[in-house]
Parts: sequence; structure tokens; C-alpha cells
Amino acid sequence: EAGVAQSPRYKIIEKRQSVAFWCNPISGHATLYWYQQILGQGPKLLIQFQNNGVVDDSQLPKDRFSAERLKGVDSTLKIQPAKLEDSAVYLCASSSSQGASGYTFGSGTRLTVV
Amino acid sequence: AQTVTQSQPEMSVQEAETVTLSCTYDTSENNYYLFWYKQPPSRQMILVIRQEAYKQQNATENRFSVNFQKAAKSFSLKISDSQLGDTAMYFCAFMKRPGNYGQNFVFGPGTRLSVLP
Repeated sequence: EAGVAQSPRYKIIEKRQSVAFWCNPISGHATLYWYQQILGQGPKLLIQFQNNGVVDDSQLPKDRFSAERLKGVDSTLKIQPAKLEDSAVYLCASSSSQGASGYTFGSGTRLTVV
Repeated sequence: AQTVTQSQPEMSVQEAETVTLSCTYDTSENNYYLFWYKQPPSRQMILVIRQEAYKQQNATENRFSVNFQKAAKSFSLKISDSQLGDTAMYFCAFMKRPGNYGQNFVFGPGTRLSVLP
């Protein structure tokens, strides 16, 4: 089966600019997650979708971050305007609705804000 | 809230030898799942092994095995016959229960493992 696809792989932007990341989960996986992984740390959940609805965005800085999952498949995560502290790897993951087998992760997008 | 602790930021092991990575967690839940993920330089998180808390038998996947001590809330990973390709960050993760929403899946801070030739 195809894995979780993410693009771009790398992105460098200046602070106050905007950026968007794209994720295509494994076919049939109802649940999609965006994680932020700061260098040297474990991933931290930003937002969780169940189909096309948000079920948890409590950790998402909503003043600058937004995400959507139209039609319950692909998802985009946007940052506007970016800050230096947003420099991180942004990982997308998906799971079947139960998730007991664990999550399948994409390769992530490394964002550098200068 | 659940927390996951990995007390070894970095470890190294000689090729073909055995290494054990430590993980402890804090929870009031009785039924949950534990995972070890590997993250090589390619950045992709790869599932190594999973353990269901209600199963007493320790999980094993080829060269990877766990020592699950539920009472002590400990979940260590043993890698036997270490290979150069095992060099990566290893993350311990906790899941409260399947299908639960919110901060259901919590990662530890990771252990950087280097396998030396």
C-alpha cells in the first residue's frame, strides 16, 4: 500500500511570510493528524481530523496556524505569518478510525524560518 | 495527562551487540497501548513494535523485543544483533485507547542510537 505522502520536503521562508504544507493519507484512513517536531524533541500533536471534521485542535496556535481536510482525504496545514519559532519538521500521519495498530507517518516537511 | 519519559538522550552500541533503550510512562489508565517508533535521518517515523497493556506476554518482532513491566510503568526496547541501519532516533509512545480523541498519542523525547562499525 502507498504510504502517507507529504510535500514539500523542505521549505525556507522569511519570518512573517506564509507557507502551506500538503498531506495525502493512506487510502481509507479516516483519521489524519498533523504533528510539529522541533529539533531534539518528540512530535507534538497540532490537530486531528476524523474524516473531514476537526476533533482536536487544542494545541494549534489558531492566530497563525490553520488546517483543513476537504472531502475527508487530503489535508493542508498553513502558517500565516510565520515566526522563527515555527522552524520544525511538520509530520502528517494517518490511521484507521481505531488507531490501535499505530499511526503511519509521512516523511515530513522541514520548515526553516529565517 | 499522560507523560512519557526516556532518560537516555543518546546511546551507542557496537555492531552485532545488544542494546536496551529505556522508557517509563505515567498514566491512571488500565488499558492502553505502547509503541516504539524509529526515526532515521530520512525523518519518516517507522513503527518498530507495539504492546497491548492487557497482554502479559512481551511483544517481539525479529531482532526487537520489549520488556513491559505494567506495575512499574516501564517499557524498554531491546535490540539484538545491532545493525548499522538501526542508527536512528527512537521514540517511545503511549496511546490511551483506540478511537479516543484528543491527546491520545503521546511521544517521549527520544533516544538517539548510534550503531558503531
